Amino acid sequence: DAGVIQSPRHEVTEMGQEVTLRCKPISGHDYLFWYRQTMMRGLELLIYFNNNVPIDDSGMPEDRFSAKMPNASFSTLKIQPSEPRDSAVYFCASSPAGSGANVLTFGAGSRLTVL
Amino acid sequence: AQSVTQPDIHITVSEGASLELRCNYSYGATPYLFWYVQSPGQGLQLLLKYFSGDTLVQGIKGFEAEFKRSQSSFNLRKPSVHWSDAAEYFCAVGLNFGNEKLTFGTGTRLTIIP
Repeated sequence: DAGVIQSPRHEVTEMGQEVTLRCKPISGHDYLFWYRQTMMRGLELLIYFNNNVPIDDSGMPEDRFSAKMPNASFSTLKIQPSEPRDSAVYFCASSPAGSGANVLTFGAGSRLTVL
Repeated sequence: AQSVTQPDIHITVSEGASLELRCNYSYGATPYLFWYVQSPGQGLQLLLKYFSGDTLVQGIKGFEAEFKRSQSSFNLRKPSVHWSDAAEYFCAVGLNFGNEKLTFGTGTRLTIIP
C-alpha cells in the first residue's frame, strides 16, 4: 500500500484565496483524521470521519474551514477565505476499525503558507 | 479531558549514549498510549503503543517504553542512539476503545551529536 497520500505537499497563497487540501487514506481504513501542526499550538485534531461520516468537528477553528469525505478513498479540507494565521502543516491520517482504530498512519503533510 | 505533557522541549545526546524521553498523562482510567516519531518534512510514524498487559512495550528501531500507572508516565527509552534517531518525538494518549481521538504532547526534539 502506498500509505496515506496528501496533496499538494506545499501551497503558497495570498490572503483571501481559497485553499483545498486533499487526502487519500489507506484502502480499507474506516477512520480519517485531519490534524494541523504549528509551532505555537503543536498538533491539533481538526475533524475526523468514520465511514465517510464526520464524527467530531469540534477542533475546526471557524466557519472558514470545512471538510468533506465524499467516498472512502478521498477527503478534502477547504479554507475559504484563507488568512495568514492559517499557515501551518496540515496532516491527514487514517486508521482501521476495531482495536486498531487508535493506531494512526499519517500522510507526509501539506505545508500551507498564506501571505 | 485527557492531556499529555512532555516536559523536555529539546534534548541533546551523544551518539551511542542511552536515551530517555519523558511523557506524563492525565486521565482517570488507563488510557491507550503511543509514541510517534517525526523526521524533518515527514509525517508521524508510530514507534510503539500500549493498550494493556505487559507494561514494558517494544517498538520499532530499538525503542521501548514503560507504562507506570503510579507515576502516570510512559517514558520512551533506547539503550544506544544512532545519528538517524535525530527527530521530533511525540507522546499521545487515546481513550479506551470506542473513542478514536488522540491527544498529542507538544513534542521533544532530539539532537544527536557525534
